[in-house]
Amino acid sequence: GAVVSQHPSWVICKSGTSVKIECRSLDFQATTMFWYRQFPKQSLMLMATSNEGSKATYEQGVEKDKFLINHASLTLSTLTVTSAHPEDSSFYICSAGAGNGANVLTFGAGSRLTVL
Amino acid sequence: GQQVMQIPQYQHVQEGEDFTTYCNSSTTLSNIQWYKQRPGGHPVFLIQLVKSGEVKKQKRLTFQFGEAKKNSSLHITATQTTDVGTYFCAGYDYKLSFGAGTTVTVRA
Repeated sequence: GAVVSQHPSWVICKSGTSVKIECRSLDFQATTMFWYRQFPKQSLMLMATSNEGSKATYEQGVEKDKFLINHASLTLSTLTVTSAHPEDSSFYICSAGAGNGANVLTFGAGSRLTVL
Repeated sequence: GQQVMQIPQYQHVQEGEDFTTYCNSSTTLSNIQWYKQRPGGHPVFLIQLVKSGEVKKQKRLTFQFGEAKKNSSLHITATQTTDVGTYFCAGYDYKLSFGAGTTVTVRA
């Protein structure tokens, strides 16, 4: 089946630094990937839709200069949290549609970010 | 905008009992999907319902899509400890919107 790999699985950083999270589709090509944020015991909040070769589409209220998304190839999307602050601490999950119903998602394992 | 509401938020079940979680959308959906997230894990796709009134079963899990394609339910019979986790419905209109999830705990 479709596999989405996400790295790192967890990261701790200091306030003011930037953190990059990678999302790769291992056995399929993904022209579109989705980035979600999940707070403890809460649902998945769509942050942005990452489009290969073009700019990402951000959801309302998500700062595009804060959360930089790059989708340079059909198998890789990256999310960079710039100038991280403690309130950015969260679980970030990427996903991609693998074609068995284009809108059915395969999720990565997630990246837990802690900003000190 | 599209909103997907899911109840109950928490479900504490005696092992062997049945329970149901419900999902309602503010708009008519093209399809509805269900995902399961184990504690500490990531969401895993369970099933997709597309047709009005559709019912699908996966062993002890029964999924139903309403006639108006605005609501759905997941019914689990004879709950087991392996059913622990959070079950999310996700409605697809022009984008996929997740419900708040039902977190299930099981007492032996």
